[in-house]
Amino acid sequence: GQQLNQSPQSMFIQEGEDVSMNCTSSSIFNTWLWYKQDPGEGPVLLIALYKAGELTSNGRLTAQFGITRKDSFLNISASIPSDVGIYFCAGLIVKGGGGSNYKLTFGKGTLLTVNP
Amino acid sequence: AAGVIQSPRHLIKEKRETATLKCYPIPRHDTVYWYQQGPGQDPQFLISFYEKMQSDKGSIPDRFSAQQFSDYHSELNMSSLELGDSALYFCASSQGGGGLLAEQYFGPGTRLTVT
Repeated sequence: GQQLNQSPQSMFIQEGEDVSMNCTSSSIFNTWLWYKQDPGEGPVLLIALYKAGELTSNGRLTAQFGITRKDSFLNISASIPSDVGIYFCAGLIVKGGGGSNYKLTFGKGTLLTVNP
Repeated sequence: AAGVIQSPRHLIKEKRETATLKCYPIPRHDTVYWYQQGPGQDPQFLISFYEKMQSDKGSIPDRFSAQQFSDYHSELNMSSLELGDSALYFCASSQGGGGLLAEQYFGPGTRLTVT
């Protein structure tokens, strides 16, 4: 099956710093999604990317869908303590045959710690 | 805005018992997905339903079954529970058709502990 390589595994940064994380795959994806998960909670959708080369922002978050459709990155600018959590990339391949066959393949996550 | 509702939030069962997890999707969402997340792991896809029909199947054990009902809520039935089934179980929903169908919104999860 498809696998996503997400890096880095963890990051320790100071409040106010910018941070970048990325995902790569040997497979082509139609869609990239970025989620944030707090301990014991469900993943929260941050950004969805649908087109190769697309660059999308959501507040201090910016994500890009790689031109090759095999990678994506997420940037967080001017980090704050509430940015702490696990960030997951997720890729999606639209399957043929109609219906909604859209299972997500997740990366292993990036644990972000922000020191005040 | 309304979100995905899951119940119960916590469940403790003994080995070989059965468990039923429920999921209520966001209103007007017709697709439901189930994921299992072990400690320190990423969510793993189990099964999905679109318009009450199974649409995709992942690494779901034969001991598990699921269905989507006429009101679009879904239930995940787990039998002969094993210690290794202890995990967080998430339901996600999306709206089929159109450009937004890829956006899956997750519920808060059910933490299942098998003792």
